[in-house]
Amino acid sequence: EAGVAQSPRYKIIEKRQSVAFWCNPISGHATLYWYQQILGQGPKLLIQFQNNGVVDDSQLPKDRFSAERLKGVDSTLKIQPAKLEDSAVYLCASSLDRGFGDTQYFGPGTRLTVL
Amino acid sequence: AQSVTQLDSQVPVFEEAPVELRCNYSSSVSVYLFWYVQYPNQGLQLLLKYLSGSTLVKGINGFEAEFNKSQTSFHLRKPSVHISDTAEYFCAVIRSMDTGRRALTFGSGTRLQVQP
Repeated sequence: EAGVAQSPRYKIIEKRQSVAFWCNPISGHATLYWYQQILGQGPKLLIQFQNNGVVDDSQLPKDRFSAERLKGVDSTLKIQPAKLEDSAVYLCASSLDRGFGDTQYFGPGTRLTVL
Repeated sequence: AQSVTQLDSQVPVFEEAPVELRCNYSSSVSVYLFWYVQYPNQGLQLLLKYLSGSTLVKGINGFEAEFNKSQTSFHLRKPSVHISDTAEYFCAVIRSMDTGRRALTFGSGTRLQVQP
């Protein structure tokens, strides 16, 4: 079974530029998450989708971050404009929708460096 | 609000020695508890989880953890570590009352460094 795919793996941009990340979850997984992991910290949720609807985006900086999940499968996360403090690893995860005990499967992440 | 505290940022240990990585959580409601491992340049992988039932949970790679409700702890243990266990370990929780919201709240991680 293929895992969660993310691209690109690495991205370097100047501040105030825009950037987009892509995620393809495990086939059949209804729930998709984007987490931000700043160096030296644990991942922090940005947004949770169930199918193509947003369940939780309470920690998403909506003035600069946006995310969509078209057709309930792939998802893109965009930052516009980027700030220095956005330098982090962006992790995508997916899970079935059976309950709290569902295992979240993580992709390898996209490492963003903002100069 | 809930939080997860991993008391040790780094734990050096010699190969074949036992290890314990500590995790404490705070929550006014019941929680589900998880341990994830992150190898360099890889995503997080589930080691084990506690949902209900027996408080001693066994996971992959010989790891186990014990849920202690009175001490609000979920410490991870392994009786004999290998060089390949060198990685970052994260404790995480989900609150049981957050209907529909399944996001993990992570601790800050513990770097396990296994030395030969």
